[in-house]
Amino acid sequence: GDSVTQMEGPVTLSEEAFLTINCTYTATGYPSLFWYVQYPGEGLQLLLKATKADDKGSNKGFEATYRKETTSFHLEKGSVQVSDSAVYFCALGTIQGAQKLVFGQGTRLTINP
Amino acid sequence: DGGITQSPKYLFRKEGQNVTLSCEQNLNHDAMYWYRQDPGQGLRLIYYSQIVNDFQKGDIAEGYSVSREKKESFPLTVTSAQKNPTAFYLCASSMYIYNEQFFGPGTRLTVL
Repeated sequence: GDSVTQMEGPVTLSEEAFLTINCTYTATGYPSLFWYVQYPGEGLQLLLKATKADDKGSNKGFEATYRKETTSFHLEKGSVQVSDSAVYFCALGTIQGAQKLVFGQGTRLTINP
Repeated sequence: DGGITQSPKYLFRKEGQNVTLSCEQNLNHDAMYWYRQDPGQGLRLIYYSQIVNDFQKGDIAEGYSVSREKKESFPLTVTSAQKNPTAFYLCASSMYIYNEQFFGPGTRLTVL
């Protein structure tokens, strides 16, 4: 079945460091790919998305490119801030069959000043 | 403002009692979902509904029940049959033909 594998956390960085959180997927068909962010005690917020191969999603300085050849959707940010501390989830969705998202296990990111 | 509301934010119940978690959306979305999140873990799908009066079991439906009598409402009942109900519960919704899901703020259920 469809699955998403994320880089294990926790990840701890200093402010202004470069961030990469790896995400790879297994899916039949042509999924859409998403990154969600969850701040402590809150629900998930959509951070960015890509719906087809070679698409780049971007928002708030974060970017991710849909790479079909490597089945990856790695999240990157050039200079992280303390306010980026949160849990990040990679997810895929396909319109084949039911309208469900499959989530990775999440990566906890902590940014130190 | 359009969005998803979940109430209450914190809920405490005694073991053996059923409890119902509320989820309402005014986004005019067709599909709604319930997820369970345990500390340090990802999201697991409990139930989902693609249209009114229809719903399907997710990956961990045992001990839970739902109804979808109105498009904007998708309440989740945690029954006494659920062995370990203490968790953070998230409701989400999406347009029928798109996969992007929008999440509510969650309800933290603690069974004493």
